[in-house]
Amino acid sequence: AQTVTQSQPEMSVQEAETVTLSCTYDTSESNYYLFWYKQPPSRQMILVIRQEAYKQQNATENRFSVNFQKAAKSFSLKISDSQLGDTAMYFCAFTLQTNTGNQFYFGTGTSLTVIP
Amino acid sequence: EAQVTQNPRYLITVTGKKLTVTCSQNMNHEYMSWYRQDPGLGLRQIYYSMNVEVTDKGDVPEGYKVSRKEKRNFPLILESPSPNQTSLYFCASSLYRRALSPLHFGNGTRLTVT
Repeated sequence: AQTVTQSQPEMSVQEAETVTLSCTYDTSESNYYLFWYKQPPSRQMILVIRQEAYKQQNATENRFSVNFQKAAKSFSLKISDSQLGDTAMYFCAFTLQTNTGNQFYFGTGTSLTVIP
Repeated sequence: EAQVTQNPRYLITVTGKKLTVTCSQNMNHEYMSWYRQDPGLGLRQIYYSMNVEVTDKGDVPEGYKVSRKEKRNFPLILESPSPNQTSLYFCASSLYRRALSPLHFGNGTRLTVT
């Protein structure tokens, strides 16, 4: 069975500081892809960053970067220079490409509050 | 504009009254799916579809039906809604067989069943 665990239900960070959201997953597959989604109060689901499991290099998108540790099955998200607009629920997810479709598995989310 | 359109955004209904939540995408995506989001549980997949006339159950299919008669549309049907189906629902789509292709989500439907 595939699982995604986000062990921090809530976090807060001061504006302009750096915060790291943790995510671990479990799969016996070797070919998969990892994502972080952001859900602001508007409830829209927005893709933040993606990572191919076969790539060693950690993905970066502006102030967002990941620390991907394949052996440890860990995929944490680092947000640098936090802004008020980063306040949102963050979901970690991974997907497997199977014969029955691209199955997506989501964590339970981390609610991040950026404090002015 | 590439998007997934979900309607309605809010829906309040009573137990047992059939309802349909519509979902349409304009990106020619093969893969479409429905999720429900509940506090503390994250997103759980209800049904998914790989292409026209191909659908399969996700993790929580009980009480739901879907159909995929056209590539762009994937409606979610609740034949006899119950209060435990009160939730936030998302439709999503992506390119099939390109696993790095992320899910594109609709804006969600907040359903309340009384």
